[in-house]
Amino acid sequence: QVQLVQSGAEVKKPGASVKVSCKASGYTFTNYGISWLRQAPGQGLEWMGWISAYNGNTYYTQRVQGRVTMTTDRSTSTAYMELRSLRSDDTAMYYCARDTPAEGAAATEDFWGQGTLVTVSS
Amino acid sequence: VVMTQSPLSLPVTLGQPASISCRSSQSLVYSDTNIYLSWFQQRPGQSPRRLIYKVSKRDSGVPDRFSGSGSGSDFTLKISRVEAEDVGIYYCMQGIYWPPAFGGGTKVEIK
Repeated sequence: QVQLVQSGAEVKKPGASVKVSCKASGYTFTNYGISWLRQAPGQGLEWMGWISAYNGNTYYTQRVQGRVTMTTDRSTSTAYMELRSLRSDDTAMYYCARDTPAEGAAATEDFWGQGTLVTVSS
Repeated sequence: VVMTQSPLSLPVTLGQPASISCRSSQSLVYSDTNIYLSWFQQRPGQSPRRLIYKVSKRDSGVPDRFSGSGSGSDFTLKISRVEAEDVGIYYCMQGIYWPPAFGGGTKVEIK
């Protein structure tokens, strides 16, 4: 069965960086992409960006462009999301989700990780 | 593309039907003629789970009391008879215009 298992909760100070991992199993990793989404406390879902596990192409929203880097390690079927220059409003639950393998194709988000809570506080 | 859901909150009596509306600011018909509108359920303290994709197709394991309908830019999620486990927040999502966008969510609770 498809599973996405994320790394544990993080507490960071403003200005620091965080790197969240998402290990995939139960499917051929390189046949899909991985999207990253976040949910601030009590708020809705925000789609942050996407990476192709096939060729590493990425797409980031304007809101996080310049502060985020998404990568994959095909040898371990793991996706990573690094967010830099953290601010208090980056405090959120971060999710990875399996997605389309091609940029611009219809997004699917059919399977989700369990979430990683990132808290930014001085 | 802006996704607008209503209502914001939906108190429902157990066993009664519930209906959630989602409207997109643009048509969601893709070049392959499919409509990529999905519905997600987020139970308290859990990750979102996809229930419905391409407007009306139920994901594996989703009870048949959940159904999706709609066309163009107007969509509806219906629960035929609400059960206690259906409590949570429901989101619609469009997947054809990048970046994908979610509606603001509808909170379903038991009266």
